[in-house]
Amino acid sequence: QVQLQQSGPGLVKPSQTLSLTCAISGDSVSSNSAAWNWIRQSPSRGLEWLGRTYYRSEWGNDYAASVKSRIIINPDTSKNQFSLQLDSVTPEDTAVYYCARDILSGTPEWGQGTLVTVSS
Amino acid sequence: QSALTQPASVSGSPGQSITISCTGTSSDVGSYNLVSWYQQHPGKAPKLLIFEGTKRPSGVSNRFSGSKSGNTASLTISGLQAEDEADYYCCSYAGSRIYVFGTGTKVTVL
Repeated sequence: QVQLQQSGPGLVKPSQTLSLTCAISGDSVSSNSAAWNWIRQSPSRGLEWLGRTYYRSEWGNDYAASVKSRIIINPDTSKNQFSLQLDSVTPEDTAVYYCARDILSGTPEWGQGTLVTVSS
Repeated sequence: QSALTQPASVSGSPGQSITISCTGTSSDVGSYNLVSWYQQHPGKAPKLLIFEGTKRPSGVSNRFSGSKSGNTASLTISGLQAEDEADYYCCSYAGSRIYVFGTGTKVTVL
């Protein structure tokens, strides 16, 4: 049974970097068939796919155009987890952030969600 | 990439059928059979109802069904029940290894 456990601060100051981690159990971040995603949800923007990381003989990343200039999603094979870094945050980045596996497959898995508030 | 368009709200009485539309473009919904539908109750993570346009994962009620015509995907809920009151989101592959979600629909059971 795959489980995703999110961790990270719930409050970030404007202009700083938002950092979240998603720990994986029951699967491997290095799986050749899975993709590991970050999604956020806010009342104003609804659900928004941010990007993903995956391993297909080498590591790859894909990012949404809306955040491409300030996002990094990194795998950590030693801890079987992946992380989200979002730079130069503003109050518009306030949202519930979710990690998820394979969101278009028949067996997606989602983390529990983390509310991140951007405020001084 | 713009969000897929869904009606803001749909309502129905218990036992009725309702349909939620998800309108995209020929670059996303219209080009791929890769549309998923999610149900989300308040404070919870989204739950998968339909994947690849029409397929139901095990454990999901057969009251939920998906279809597609052109650039519009649809989710039909038959035999509406009180527990179906929730938010519903579509999600599609949009080419170039990008995904896009719908704007979301609030379903109210009258």
